Amino acid sequence: SQQGEEDPQALSIQEGENATMNCSYKTSINNLQWYRQNSGRGLVHLILIRSNEREKHSGRLRVTLDTSKKSSSLLITASRAADTASYFCATGRIQGAQKLVFGQGTRLTINP
Amino acid sequence: ETGVTQTPRHLVMGMTNKKSLKCEQHLGHNAMYWYKQSAKKPLELMFVYSLEERVENNSVPSRFSPECPNSSHLFLHLHTLQPEDSALYLCASSQVVSASNQPQHFGDGTRLSIL
Repeated sequence: SQQGEEDPQALSIQEGENATMNCSYKTSINNLQWYRQNSGRGLVHLILIRSNEREKHSGRLRVTLDTSKKSSSLLITASRAADTASYFCATGRIQGAQKLVFGQGTRLTINP
Repeated sequence: ETGVTQTPRHLVMGMTNKKSLKCEQHLGHNAMYWYKQSAKKPLELMFVYSLEERVENNSVPSRFSPECPNSSHLFLHLHTLQPEDSALYLCASSQVVSASNQPQHFGDGTRLSIL
């Protein structure tokens, strides 16, 4: 299985601090995506990084991808209370298409 | 507003009932998906539709029956469900289904409780 696994399962930090979440996977991928889910809501796409990219930025988000280690990290800088949510990585296959495989997520809590 | 609307938001039903979940996307996408999200488990892909044609069925029990009458609407018909089917059911869409390098747009889900 190429299921992504996020680490840590839960993270609690103070507002203004940086939050780092990690994702590991098992097989070769086409791309890796990060999603956010607020309580009681659906998933929201944050950023997609392709297998030939090493780093990508979007606002306060920074994603890295290390295909040799089969891992990715999501960094949220200068965290805000509104960043409190669950964060999921999802991996896309090279072949067989259609399918994104999601991890179990990291529950991030930002304390004011 | 994600452009994907799911109704109802909450549903409580007995094991012998028949009900349907509805999903509508206003994004002009060609692919639609049903996922099941249970506590402490990864998101499970149930069905994939491309231009109203089912392209993937992930060994889902027959008590779940999808229907896609057009590229904007997706239904999940439920009958004779079990307590373990209680979960959040999420609908998603993407521009095309032929490649997994597309972001998916999710609705807010239907919280289903089986009594």
